[in-house]
Amino acid sequence: NAGVTQTPKFRVLKTGQSMTLLCAQDMNHEYMYWYRQDPGMGLRLIHYSVGEGTTAKGEVPDGYNVSRLKKQNFLLGLESAAPSQTSVYFCASSFHNPGQGAEQYFGPGTRLTVT
Amino acid sequence: EDKVVQSPLSLVVHEGDTVTLNCSYEVTNFRSLLWYKQEKKAPTFLFMLTSSGIEKKSGRLSSILDKKELFSILNITATQTGDSAIYLCAGLGGATNKLIFGTGTLLAVQP
Repeated sequence: NAGVTQTPKFRVLKTGQSMTLLCAQDMNHEYMYWYRQDPGMGLRLIHYSVGEGTTAKGEVPDGYNVSRLKKQNFLLGLESAAPSQTSVYFCASSFHNPGQGAEQYFGPGTRLTVT
Repeated sequence: EDKVVQSPLSLVVHEGDTVTLNCSYEVTNFRSLLWYKQEKKAPTFLFMLTSSGIEKKSGRLSSILDKKELFSILNITATQTGDSAIYLCAGLGGATNKLIFGTGTLLAVQP
């Protein structure tokens, strides 16, 4: 099993450009999450999905959109990149609602720089 | 507002030392407390604690939760250079049942 994979690993964008980050998991997890990690801020939830075809907003959703057309994939889109979106982005997945005991498994991260 | 606070922010020790990392939380509808280890890339899961007073142990690492005082500790005995990492604590709960992360403790173990 590859677990949780993310593409690309690194990306540099200019302000105003758009891009899509891809997350894929092969563990048949229902739940998927997108986080960003910034120095001194910890991991903050951007959007999440509780199943194919469903998405919901997290703590910091502005400037991002997501789609979950297939159970194994969770896409994060930046419509018009801004320097404030320079960050490391992590995708995670879990079997089911963590309230029932399942921990989240993380991908290796995507380092995005917006100039 | 839900929050998780970790201390210390950073710590430098020598191999063989024992360390204690702290995590306090204020999380509505709290269910569990999770610890992760983050080296260069993805956080990797260490422990999930749901019941108060029951120690979870994995090798030289152990953790316990106090739901009355709203904190958890992570102990690492006989530290090794491979223990150098950021240790993240996260509370599970909140209005939407998601993880609320602390900012982490950066542990550096010197030879």
